[in-house]
Order: sequence, then structure tokens, then C-alpha cells
Amino acid sequence: GDSVTQMEGPVTLSEEAFLTINCTYTATGYPSLFWYVQYPGEGLQLLLKATKADDKGSNKGFEATYRKETTSFHLEKGSVQVSDSAVYFCALSGRPDKLIFGTGTRLQVFP
Amino acid sequence: GAVVSQHPSWVICKSGTSVKIECRSLDFQATTMFWYRQFPKQSLMLMATSNEGSKATYEQGVEKDKFLINHASLTLSTLTVTSAHPEDSSFYICSARPRSRGAETQYFGPGTRLLVL
Repeated sequence: GDSVTQMEGPVTLSEEAFLTINCTYTATGYPSLFWYVQYPGEGLQLLLKATKADDKGSNKGFEATYRKETTSFHLEKGSVQVSDSAVYFCALSGRPDKLIFGTGTRLQVFP
Repeated sequence: GAVVSQHPSWVICKSGTSVKIECRSLDFQATTMFWYRQFPKQSLMLMATSNEGSKATYEQGVEKDKFLINHASLTLSTLTVTSAHPEDSSFYICSARPRSRGAETQYFGPGTRLLVL
């Protein structure tokens, strides 16, 4: 079945460091891909998405490119801030109405 | 906008009792609500999908008599864990989708942590 694999955390970085969180997927067909973020005490929020191969989703300085050839959707940010500390979930749209999530990666950014 | 609340945020109960968790869409009407369960260091697992006014659709392996879902209005869905046991301890998350929106348009609640003693 469809699945999402993302790197285990926590990822610990100093402020202004470069961030990469790896995400790979297995799916039949051509799913849409997403990154969600969960700040402490809050619900998951959609961070960015890409709906077809080679699309780049971007938001708040974060980017991810839909790579069909490597079945990947890695999340990147050039310069992280303390306020980016959160848990990040990679996800894909499976059958209609269903989101399939990765295990989540906790990011901790220190000043 | 698009705020979803859950109540309670955490609950501790004795084995054998039932626990009800509420999920509310505060500023929109949710024709579809989803219930997820998350174990430590694991992904969110979809338990069931509920549409307002109809019976919930449960995922394979989820006991419908154990996890009762009611979606009686466009702003409220409830999950009742009946005869809870320690293995039901988990983090339960709901999400709500407005009318005529795709699967990715789900607004998530902050989750409810259940501990069964």
C-alpha cells in the first residue's frame, strides 16, 4: 500500500543553519504530496504542497520539490529560526479523502 | 479562520470506563470529519471518516463497537472510546474538512491525550 517514510528526529540546529528533512514515498498512481507542521499545543497546519512531478511547493521560506524519479519530497529551508521549532509531517494523498502521514520529525532550533 | 478545537485536551480514566472526545469546527461547517490515532514515534493512523448525518466509515482493523463516532451536526463530531483499556492509551486527533474541498484541505485539532489506567 501507499506509505511515507521520513527521517527520525529530533533534528537539532542552531539559528540560521540550513535545514533538510528527508521524505520518500511509495504510492500507486500520482499522489499529491504535502508537508504539515505542528507547533507545540496546536493542530497540524498545511505548510506546503505539490500536486505533480517537478512542482515546487513553498511557504514561509520552506521549499520542497516533487521528485518522481527518486520518489522524494524533501523539505528545505535556507536559514532556520527558533520559531521554526515544531514537528514536521510529510504526507501524501492516497485514495480519495485519505491522507497518509509519515512519522513526523521534531525540529529544535537553538539561538 | 478554520479553527478546530478538541475537548478535553487530555484525560485519564480507569480501565472499563468510557471516554468521549469532542471535535468542533469553530468557524466553518465541516461536512466531513476524520479521526486519527497516533502512537509515540509513529505516524498518524486514520481510524475513521465521518460525514454529517451518516454513519462513519471505519478503516480496516478499527473496531467500530469500540470507537463510536457520531457526527450529528456540521460543527461537531464525537469519538467515544467504550470500555477503555490500557492499550487504548494514545493521542487522538481529529480534523475537519469544509464542504466541497479536497482531501488535503483538512483542518486539524490540537489532539487529545488519553491515558487509561
